[in-house]
Amino acid sequence: KQEVTQIPAALSVPEGENLVLNCSFTDSAIYNLQWFRQDPGKGLTSLLLIQSSQREQTSGRLNASLDKSSGRSTLYIAASQPGDSATYLCAVSAGNTPLVFGKGTRLSVIA
Amino acid sequence: NAGVTQTPKFQVLKTGQSMTLQCAQDMNHNSMYWYRQDPGMGLRLIYYSASEGTTDKGEVPNGYNVSRLNKREFSLRLESAAPSQTSVYFCASSVFGGNTGELFFGEGSRLTVL
Repeated sequence: KQEVTQIPAALSVPEGENLVLNCSFTDSAIYNLQWFRQDPGKGLTSLLLIQSSQREQTSGRLNASLDKSSGRSTLYIAASQPGDSATYLCAVSAGNTPLVFGKGTRLSVIA
Repeated sequence: NAGVTQTPKFQVLKTGQSMTLQCAQDMNHNSMYWYRQDPGMGLRLIYYSASEGTTDKGEVPNGYNVSRLNKREFSLRLESAAPSQTSVYFCASSVFGGNTGELFFGEGSRLTVL
C-alpha cells in the first residue's frame, strides 16, 4: 500500500527566505506526483504536476523535483512571501488508482 | 468558469438523520472523487467514479453511498449519520484517473453530526 509522508508537519520562516518542503513515498512505481496548496477553510489548488518521466516542473517561484528511485519529491519556494502561508500537500498516483495524499506541511511566512 | 461546485457548504445533522452532498463539475471530466479531511488524518478517499456509470470504494467507504448521476454530477449520501462522520468533505474531478489526471477540488462541505 502506498504511503506518503511529509516532513516537517509545520514550518515557520521569515519573509524572503528560500525554503524546501519534503515529500516521500513508499512505492516508487508511480505515474505522477502532484503538489497542492490549501488555504484555511478552502479547497485544494493544484500547484504542479510531475509525470513519472519528468525530473522537475517549475511555475513562477515554485520548483518541484521528483526522484522516483529514492521515493522523494521536494517543493522549492524562492523568496517566500506572507501570501505563501498555507498548507502544502503532495499526492502520488500509481496506475489507474486515485491519488494518495500526505498529511501536509503547514507553512507560515512571517513579515 | 465554476470548476467543481459542492452543495451545501455547511450542514448540521442529528445522529441518525440522512443527507446527500451534491457535486457538479463543468470541465467535461471523466473521473470524480469524494474525500474527507480530518485533523491529523489528512485526506482520505471515500468513493470514486473513474468514468460515467462506474463507482468504486476508496479507503473509508463504510456509512456512505454514491451515485454518478451523469458525467457532470456525483453525489455522496449518508443514510444514517454518526458523529464519526463529522468532517470536511471534498469533491474532486480529473480528466481521467491515475496517470493522466491533474485533480481539481471543490471548496468543501463542512458537516457536523451531533
